[in-house]
Amino acid sequence: AQTVTQSQPEMSVQEAETVTLSCTYDTSESDYYLFWYKQPPSRQMILVIRQEAYKQQNATENRFSVNFQKAAKSFSLKISDSQLGDAAMYFCAYRSALSNYQLIWGAGTKLIIKP
Amino acid sequence: DAGVIQSPRHEVTEMGQEVTLRCKPISGHNSLFWYRQTMMRGLELLIYFNNNVPIDDSGMPEDRFSAKMPNASFSTLKIQPSEPRDSAVYFCASSTRRVAGGQYFGPGTRLLVL
Repeated sequence: AQTVTQSQPEMSVQEAETVTLSCTYDTSESDYYLFWYKQPPSRQMILVIRQEAYKQQNATENRFSVNFQKAAKSFSLKISDSQLGDAAMYFCAYRSALSNYQLIWGAGTKLIIKP
Repeated sequence: DAGVIQSPRHEVTEMGQEVTLRCKPISGHNSLFWYRQTMMRGLELLIYFNNNVPIDDSGMPEDRFSAKMPNASFSTLKIQPSEPRDSAVYFCASSTRRVAGGQYFGPGTRLLVL
């Protein structure tokens, strides 16, 4: 069975600096999708970025980018120029290409932004 | 384009009462999910619909929980009778056929059962 591990329960970063959140996963499959979700204090889950395993190029969405290392089964999220509004829980999630719905979730990392 | 809409946003009820949560998925999305989030158990998938048909309801806690999707633009999650341990945030999410598409979540319903 696939698992997703976020080893950092909490991270803090100074406003305007860069922070990296780690995520590792375990799978025997070669085709899958990875996602980062943000959950601010409002509790809404927001899709931040996605990565298809067959793509070598790392996904980027404005200040958010990933470092996808398929062989190492690592999928870290980098947030550049951190803003106060980035403070949230961040969840990493995995979906097998064989399943069109089941997401496997990490436990989450709480990101604190220091003004 | 409107996102996933859920109502009510907050619900406070007494034990034994019936609770109905509502969801309108994003137009054009053919998959709908109901999740429950608690501090103790994290995010749990309760039920998954594809093209209005329940595909996987293995996450539904017990017979007190039921979900319906009468058409492509509306779904309900009902708890009858409600119990204090049902207190949680309930999310509805939808997604498309697109292979790499993620799930898009509604704002959630915060349920408190007294």
